[in-house]
Amino acid sequence: AQSVTQLGSHVSVSEGALVLLRCNYSSSVPPYLFWYVQYPNQGLQLLLKYTSAATLVKGINGFEAEFKKSETSFHLTKPSAHMSDAAEYFCAVRMTGGFKTIFGAGTRLFVKA
Amino acid sequence: AAGVIQSPRHLIKEKRETATLKCYPIPRHDTVYWYQQGPGQDPQFLISFYEKMQSDKGSIPDRFSAQQFSDYHSELNMSSLELGDSALYFCASSSRGRKFFGPGTRLTVL
Repeated sequence: AQSVTQLGSHVSVSEGALVLLRCNYSSSVPPYLFWYVQYPNQGLQLLLKYTSAATLVKGINGFEAEFKKSETSFHLTKPSAHMSDAAEYFCAVRMTGGFKTIFGAGTRLFVKA
Repeated sequence: AAGVIQSPRHLIKEKRETATLKCYPIPRHDTVYWYQQGPGQDPQFLISFYEKMQSDKGSIPDRFSAQQFSDYHSELNMSSLELGDSALYFCASSSRGRKFFGPGTRLTVL
Protein backbone atom coordinates (compact mmCIF):
# COMPACT_ATOMS: atom_id res chain seq x y z
CA ALA A 1 0.00 0.00 0.00
CA GLN A 2 1.11 3.52 -0.68
CA SER A 3 1.50 6.16 1.95
CA VAL A 4 2.97 9.60 2.40
CA THR A 5 4.50 11.09 5.52
CA GLN A 6 5.28 14.75 5.89
CA LEU A 7 7.55 15.41 8.83
CA GLY A 8 6.54 18.48 10.77
CA SER A 9 3.11 20.05 10.67
CA HIS A 10 4.69 23.50 10.93
CA VAL A 11 7.97 24.90 9.67
CA SER A 12 9.13 28.44 10.37
CA VAL A 13 11.98 30.14 8.52
CA SER A 14 13.27 33.66 8.19
CA GLU A 15 12.92 35.55 4.94
CA GLY A 16 15.93 34.73 2.77
CA ALA A 17 16.66 31.45 4.54
CA LEU A 18 16.60 27.98 3.08
CA VAL A 19 13.24 26.23 2.96
CA LEU A 20 13.21 22.46 3.50
CA LEU A 21 9.95 20.57 3.70
CA ARG A 22 10.27 16.84 4.19
CA CYS A 23 8.29 14.10 2.51
CA ASN A 24 8.79 10.37 2.69
CA TYR A 25 6.72 7.87 0.82
CA SER A 26 6.16 4.17 0.65
CA SER A 27 5.16 2.41 -2.52
CA SER A 28 5.57 -1.09 -3.85
CA VAL A 29 6.13 0.23 -7.37
CA PRO A 30 7.89 3.36 -8.66
CA PRO A 31 5.48 6.17 -7.97
CA TYR A 32 4.69 9.58 -9.32
CA LEU A 33 5.34 12.21 -6.68
CA PHE A 34 3.87 15.67 -6.38
CA TRP A 35 4.15 18.79 -4.30
CA TYR A 36 1.18 21.14 -4.07
CA VAL A 37 0.85 24.52 -2.41
CA GLN A 38 -2.38 25.76 -0.90
CA TYR A 39 -3.18 29.33 0.07
CA PRO A 40 -6.09 30.00 2.45
CA ASN A 41 -9.51 29.12 1.04
CA GLN A 42 -8.08 28.17 -2.31
CA GLY A 43 -7.48 24.94 -4.17
CA LEU A 44 -4.20 23.15 -4.44
CA GLN A 45 -1.70 24.43 -6.96
CA LEU A 46 0.85 22.06 -8.44
CA LEU A 47 4.40 23.14 -7.64
CA LEU A 48 6.22 20.27 -9.28
CA LYS A 49 6.01 16.59 -10.03
CA TYR A 50 8.31 13.62 -10.48
CA THR A 51 7.37 11.13 -13.17
CA SER A 52 10.46 8.92 -13.42
CA ALA A 53 12.52 11.26 -15.54
CA ALA A 54 15.19 13.44 -13.91
CA THR A 55 15.47 12.88 -10.17
CA LEU A 56 15.93 16.60 -9.51
CA VAL A 57 12.71 18.33 -10.40
CA LYS A 58 12.39 22.08 -10.71
CA GLY A 59 9.03 23.68 -10.14
CA ILE A 60 7.43 27.06 -10.01
CA ASN A 61 8.33 29.91 -7.67
CA GLY A 62 11.94 28.70 -7.29
CA PHE A 63 11.06 25.41 -5.62
CA GLU A 64 12.70 22.12 -6.43
CA ALA A 65 12.61 18.59 -5.10
CA GLU A 66 14.86 15.61 -5.39
CA PHE A 67 13.63 12.06 -5.70
CA LYS A 68 15.85 9.76 -3.66
CA LYS A 69 14.81 6.17 -4.10
CA SER A 70 17.28 4.83 -1.53
CA GLU A 71 15.78 7.13 1.10
CA THR A 72 12.21 6.97 -0.24
CA SER A 73 12.17 10.72 0.03
CA PHE A 74 11.01 13.66 -2.05
CA HIS A 75 11.92 16.70 0.01
CA LEU A 76 10.96 20.16 -1.22
CA THR A 77 13.53 22.95 -1.07
CA LYS A 78 13.92 26.59 -1.96
CA PRO A 79 17.23 28.41 -1.48
CA SER A 80 15.74 31.67 -0.25
CA ALA A 81 12.33 32.03 1.36
CA HIS A 82 10.05 34.88 0.43
CA MET A 83 7.15 36.19 2.48
CA SER A 84 4.77 35.10 -0.27
CA ASP A 85 5.87 31.48 0.25
CA ALA A 86 3.90 31.32 3.49
CA ALA A 87 1.25 28.69 2.78
CA GLU A 88 0.45 25.05 3.33
CA TYR A 89 2.35 22.47 1.30
CA PHE A 90 1.18 18.97 0.48
CA CYS A 91 3.21 16.06 -0.79
CA ALA A 92 1.31 13.43 -2.74
CA VAL A 93 2.01 10.07 -4.32
CA ARG A 94 0.28 8.24 -7.12
CA MET A 95 1.04 4.82 -8.48
CA THR A 96 2.18 4.88 -12.09
CA GLY A 97 -0.75 4.02 -14.30
CA GLY A 98 -3.21 4.56 -11.49
CA PHE A 99 -5.47 7.41 -10.58
CA LYS A 100 -5.52 7.15 -6.82
CA THR A 101 -3.60 10.04 -5.31
CA ILE A 102 -2.62 9.90 -1.67
CA PHE A 103 -1.89 13.18 0.05
CA GLY A 104 0.30 13.81 3.04
CA ALA A 105 -1.09 15.69 6.01
CA GLY A 106 0.48 18.93 4.92
CA THR A 107 3.15 21.24 6.33
CA ARG A 108 2.38 24.84 7.06
CA LEU A 109 5.27 27.15 6.21
CA PHE A 110 5.68 30.39 8.13
CA VAL A 111 8.09 33.02 6.87
CA LYS A 112 9.36 35.61 9.34
CA ALA A 113 10.51 39.05 8.28
CA ALA B 1 -5.57 4.97 12.36
CA ALA B 2 -8.86 5.88 10.78
CA GLY B 3 -8.67 8.01 7.68
CA VAL B 4 -11.12 10.04 5.68
CA ILE B 5 -13.59 7.78 3.92
CA GLN B 6 -15.28 8.65 0.68
CA SER B 7 -18.02 6.77 -1.07
CA PRO B 8 -18.52 5.66 -3.67
CA ARG B 9 -14.99 5.34 -5.02
CA HIS B 10 -16.24 5.29 -8.59
CA LEU B 11 -19.46 6.62 -10.05
CA ILE B 12 -20.72 6.68 -13.60
CA LYS B 13 -23.65 8.89 -14.53
CA GLU B 14 -25.24 10.24 -17.64
CA LYS B 15 -25.74 13.88 -18.56
CA ARG B 16 -28.53 15.62 -16.69
CA GLU B 17 -28.56 12.99 -13.95
CA THR B 18 -27.82 13.70 -10.31
CA ALA B 19 -25.07 12.34 -8.11
CA THR B 20 -24.39 12.32 -4.39
CA LEU B 21 -20.90 11.92 -3.02
CA LYS B 22 -20.31 11.14 0.62
CA CYS B 23 -17.44 11.97 2.91
CA TYR B 24 -16.84 10.61 6.39
CA PRO B 25 -14.20 12.68 8.19
CA ILE B 26 -11.72 11.42 10.70
CA PRO B 27 -13.43 11.16 14.11
CA ARG B 28 -13.38 14.41 16.08
CA HIS B 29 -12.39 16.46 13.05
CA ASP B 30 -14.61 19.52 12.91
CA THR B 31 -13.96 20.80 9.39
CA VAL B 32 -14.67 19.21 6.02
CA TYR B 33 -13.49 20.44 2.63
CA TRP B 34 -14.49 19.44 -0.88
CA TYR B 35 -12.20 19.70 -3.93
CA GLN B 36 -12.66 18.95 -7.61
CA GLN B 37 -9.73 17.80 -9.73
CA GLY B 38 -10.34 17.64 -13.45
CA PRO B 39 -8.08 15.63 -15.77
CA GLY B 40 -4.61 17.14 -15.78
CA GLN B 41 -5.70 19.96 -13.48
CA ASP B 42 -4.99 21.01 -9.94
CA PRO B 43 -7.56 20.33 -7.25
CA GLN B 44 -9.97 23.25 -7.06
CA PHE B 45 -11.57 24.19 -3.76
CA LEU B 46 -15.34 23.89 -3.84
CA ILE B 47 -16.71 24.40 -0.34
CA SER B 48 -15.99 23.78 3.32
CA PHE B 49 -17.93 23.26 6.52
CA TYR B 50 -17.01 23.91 10.12
CA GLU B 51 -19.17 22.45 12.85
CA LYS B 52 -21.94 21.69 10.34
CA MET B 53 -22.08 25.25 9.04
CA GLN B 54 -20.74 26.35 5.68
CA SER B 55 -17.50 28.17 6.37
CA ASP B 56 -16.09 29.01 2.95
CA LYS B 57 -17.17 28.78 -0.63
CA GLY B 58 -14.93 28.40 -3.63
CA SER B 59 -15.65 27.68 -7.26
CA ILE B 60 -18.69 25.51 -6.65
CA PRO B 61 -21.29 25.63 -9.45
CA ASP B 62 -24.86 26.55 -8.57
CA ARG B 63 -25.89 23.05 -9.67
CA PHE B 64 -23.93 21.64 -6.74
CA SER B 65 -24.85 21.81 -3.11
CA ALA B 66 -23.34 20.35 -0.01
CA GLN B 67 -24.06 19.96 3.65
CA GLN B 68 -22.56 18.56 6.78
CA PHE B 69 -24.74 16.44 9.01
CA SER B 70 -24.99 16.05 12.77
CA ASP B 71 -22.57 13.11 12.68
CA TYR B 72 -20.11 15.36 10.77
CA HIS B 73 -20.28 13.41 7.56
CA SER B 74 -20.76 15.54 4.48
CA GLU B 75 -22.52 15.04 1.19
CA LEU B 76 -21.91 16.78 -2.11
CA ASN B 77 -25.02 16.81 -4.27
CA MET B 78 -24.59 17.42 -7.97
CA SER B 79 -27.55 17.96 -10.27
CA SER B 80 -27.96 18.35 -14.03
CA LEU B 81 -24.61 16.72 -14.53
CA GLU B 82 -22.52 17.87 -17.45
CA LEU B 83 -19.66 16.15 -19.24
CA GLY B 84 -17.29 18.67 -17.69
CA ASP B 85 -18.20 17.48 -14.22
CA SER B 86 -16.17 14.33 -14.85
CA ALA B 87 -13.40 14.62 -12.30
CA LEU B 88 -11.90 13.31 -9.12
CA TYR B 89 -13.64 14.72 -6.07
CA PHE B 90 -11.61 14.85 -2.92
CA CYS B 91 -12.85 15.38 0.56
CA ALA B 92 -10.53 16.43 3.36
CA SER B 93 -11.06 16.85 7.07
CA SER B 94 -9.06 18.81 9.54
CA SER B 95 -8.61 19.47 13.17
CA ARG B 96 -6.25 22.04 14.63
CA GLY B 97 -5.25 23.12 11.15
CA ARG B 98 -3.84 19.83 9.89
CA LYS B 99 -5.67 18.56 6.82
CA PHE B 100 -6.13 14.94 5.82
CA PHE B 101 -7.39 13.99 2.39
CA GLY B 102 -9.65 11.13 1.47
CA PRO B 103 -8.94 8.81 -1.45
CA GLY B 104 -11.33 10.61 -3.77
CA THR B 105 -14.40 9.67 -5.76
CA ARG B 106 -13.96 9.41 -9.49
CA LEU B 107 -17.08 10.66 -11.25
CA THR B 108 -17.50 9.93 -14.93
CA VAL B 109 -20.33 11.62 -16.78
CA LEU B 110 -21.24 10.04 -20.09
